[in-house]
Amino acid sequence: EVQLVESGGGLVQPGGSLRLSCSVSGFIFNSYGMNWVRQAPGKGLEWVSFISFSGRSMYYADSVKGRFTISRDNAKNSLYLQMHSLRAEDTAVYYCTRDPDGYNFDWGQGTLVTVSS
Amino acid sequence: EIVMTQSPATLSVSPGERATLSCRASQSVSSNLAWYQQKPGQAPRLLIYDASTRAPGIPARFSGSGSGTEFTLTISSLQSEDFAVYYCQQYNDWPPITFGQGTRLEIK
Repeated sequence: EVQLVESGGGLVQPGGSLRLSCSVSGFIFNSYGMNWVRQAPGKGLEWVSFISFSGRSMYYADSVKGRFTISRDNAKNSLYLQMHSLRAEDTAVYYCTRDPDGYNFDWGQGTLVTVSS
Repeated sequence: EIVMTQSPATLSVSPGERATLSCRASQSVSSNLAWYQQKPGQAPRLLIYDASTRAPGIPARFSGSGSGTEFTLTISSLQSEDFAVYYCQQYNDWPPITFGQGTRLEIK
């Protein structure tokens, strides 16, 4: 059974930092690209970042470029999102997803990040 | 950036009837189009990829069609569990991957 389990969300002040993790099982992690997708409360889906299977290629939405860093540890079957300079508009549920070819095949349950003073 | 526009924003349909949801791309995305279903409090679930291929475990009443800039998700006979929000997503020209704003399918 495929499982993606996000963790690391919480309440953080504007300007603060947070590191999200996604632990994966049930598929060969180092064969797939991975995404972070977020959803602000009551809003639609927004792609945040992608990392290739090897970790050599990373892409970011303009809204997070220069503030967020995606990474992965294939030995630990884990995906990460390091977030700095957080803003109120970064408040959202963050999902990690498996990306076989540009679409989001499997999703985690999400972790809520709240940026507020 | 390719802009995805879904219509209508809300669709009211009776159980057992057919629902037709539309998604339009601001430029051609070929067949690189996916559809997702999201129920309240849950993560989205992949329904369709490559415009018309059902994901594993998705019932046959869900079908996708279209190519280029115009796409349709059809649910042939609505069941109670189908009332949810549906999103389309293009992956032809990225980054960025872009989603539509969603269509809420509600019970009439």
